[in-house]
Amino acid sequence: SQTIHQWPATLVQPVGSPLSLECTVEGTSNPNLYWYRQAAGRGLQLLFYSVGIGQISSEVPQNLSASRPQDRQFILSSKKLLLSDSGFYLCAWSGVLSGEQFFGPGTRLTVL
Amino acid sequence: SQQGEEDPQALSIQEGENATMNCSYKTSINNLQWYRQNSGRGLVHLILIRSNEREKHSGRLRVTLDTSKKSSSLLITASRAADTASYFCATSYGNKLVFGAGTILRVKS
Repeated sequence: SQTIHQWPATLVQPVGSPLSLECTVEGTSNPNLYWYRQAAGRGLQLLFYSVGIGQISSEVPQNLSASRPQDRQFILSSKKLLLSDSGFYLCAWSGVLSGEQFFGPGTRLTVL
Repeated sequence: SQQGEEDPQALSIQEGENATMNCSYKTSINNLQWYRQNSGRGLVHLILIRSNEREKHSGRLRVTLDTSKKSSSLLITASRAADTASYFCATSYGNKLVFGAGTILRVKS
């Protein structure tokens, strides 16, 4: 069966520090991969998605970047965090032909 | 914006009652999906309804889709305390999903 992992679960970082969040998927090949951010009490905002290794689409201009160095690995990064980067970050995958997405447990990021 | 909108924003009911949540969207879609999120957790896919379908059932869940009105509803029958969560509709455009702001459902025992 397929599983999706995210780490860390919780992160507290100072303003101006770098960020690296990792997401890995097991049990499937060539998945579509997604990064979302969820502000408190709000819906999800799509940040990046990828349909293959090295292929990244950015949905909103921001302080973050994404990379997909391997088929089942998706990384969210920042060189210098802002206060506004605080939030709940969710990674998800979907099959190429299927519509539903499967979410990881999320990372709670607090920037102080 | 393509974003869907759910209403109500919050819903509080007694265990055993039915809960109905609505979703409206703005442009043509491939499909519409409903997800559930327990507090502080990832989202769980509940049900997908395609643009050429009008109604779909899964256990205690019933979803309807009216493409002429660009709206959908999620009905949870015989609710349980464990159904307490946030529920999101998401509209599908190609490879992407656009999520609404969600309905917070509280089921009191």
